[in-house]
Amino acid sequence: GEDVEQSLFLSVREGDSSVINCTYTDSSSTYLYWYKQEPGAGLQLLTYIFSNMDMKQDQRLTVLLNKKDKHLSLRIADTQTGDSAIYFCAERDGSSNTGKLIFGQGTTLQVKP
Amino acid sequence: DAGVIQSPRHEVTEMGQEVTLRCKPISGHNSLFWYRQTMMRGLELLIYFNNNVPIDDSGMPEDRFSAKMPNASFSTLKIQPSEPRDSAVYFCASSRRPQNTKNIQYFGAGTRLSVL
Repeated sequence: GEDVEQSLFLSVREGDSSVINCTYTDSSSTYLYWYKQEPGAGLQLLTYIFSNMDMKQDQRLTVLLNKKDKHLSLRIADTQTGDSAIYFCAERDGSSNTGKLIFGQGTTLQVKP
Repeated sequence: DAGVIQSPRHEVTEMGQEVTLRCKPISGHNSLFWYRQTMMRGLELLIYFNNNVPIDDSGMPEDRFSAKMPNASFSTLKIQPSEPRDSAVYFCASSRRPQNTKNIQYFGAGTRLSVL
């Protein structure tokens, strides 16, 4: 079945760039997503990328998609302490039209001052 | 828009009691999802509905769990009887019709359940 894998933890210093990586298995996924979860809150969509793109940039965020390797990454430039959160990668379940998303286990980003 | 609204935000109950979690999806959304989040198991999809109809409940852990969606603006997740291992944060999410769209899911703030 479909699976999404992420590393569990990343620590960076304020001002550095953060790169969070994700691999997925469903080659028929049409959309891939990055969600952010702050402490005590629900998941909030950060950005998404359509499968026919290989890069998307949105202010400090850059998403790179390598379809051949089924690898997705999220780069946060000039990381701030407010970026500390859990980041979830997700792919749309390509096997159905039900709208189900397959989430990774989440990467905890720790930003040190 | 008010977003996805979940209630209560926190629930503390004793083992054996019935627990009912509530969710109001975003108006106009016709897909609704219930998730459970724990440190050990991460984010798990429990059940989801399209147009108020349950599509896949294979993530529901046991018969003690049940979910309903009587209309497009309300859903419940019930645990009866509750057990300490049910302690978790339960999220509800909704999205627009899934076909040929970005299918963004919008999450509620969650219900933190503690079963003593």
